[in-house]
Amino acid sequence: QSVLTQPPSASGTPGQRVTISCSGGNSNIGTSTVNWYQQLPGTAPKLLIYSNNQRPSGVPDRFSGSKSGTSASLAISGLQSEDEADYYCAAWDDSLSGPAFGGGTKVTAL
Amino acid sequence: EVQLVESGGGLVQSGRSLRLSCIASGFTFGDHAMAWFRQAPGTGLEWVALIRNRAYSGTTEYAASVKGRFTISRDDSKSIAYLQMNSLKTEDTAIYYCTRRDGFAAKFDYWGQGTLVTVSS
Repeated sequence: QSVLTQPPSASGTPGQRVTISCSGGNSNIGTSTVNWYQQLPGTAPKLLIYSNNQRPSGVPDRFSGSKSGTSASLAISGLQSEDEADYYCAAWDDSLSGPAFGGGTKVTAL
Repeated sequence: EVQLVESGGGLVQSGRSLRLSCIASGFTFGDHAMAWFRQAPGTGLEWVALIRNRAYSGTTEYAASVKGRFTISRDDSKSIAYLQMNSLKTEDTAIYYCTRRDGFAAKFDYWGQGTLVTVSS
């Protein structure tokens, strides 16, 4: 089981808004910033969102992140077919002395 | 351009050892912590090990699943990170990714393409 909890799947039609939740605890999300990673099929993961809501250069602004307490969420506004991928949330965990990850959410464009 | 290139993966028997290398370029290697992650077939990402930079004495951290069997190290003069894997088990079969940490926490901003390790029984 993963330390952070994500739904296994999410879907929407092109153009729809899709939201992915990420639940943790006081040792991780509650005391650290949250990062999100996108893994397109057959490729290495890529940093999508850092410090809860910041986008690295080149990431489209339809991707946004937020955090509240021990939970976080990733939103894709205006889902596109190329957004079909696995998405992982991550936060430093003081109990692990390392990064904790969610199990990943597979996003499908219907 | 930041690049991380892993090598050293392959097929190995259970109980044997393997050493992975990650050659970094395009940035000041010694300024960053480095980490290894893995992904078993059809599963999610799993953090394996992290080594801090010299400013933090190169201290290391390990996931419970590999502690005592794997060792992460770095050679700042060559810009290489290593993962020495001993007493390999079939459950260590995975793609292993080398990553660069930017700052602190869980911000891993660059990932290598991965190298496949297959452990047979």
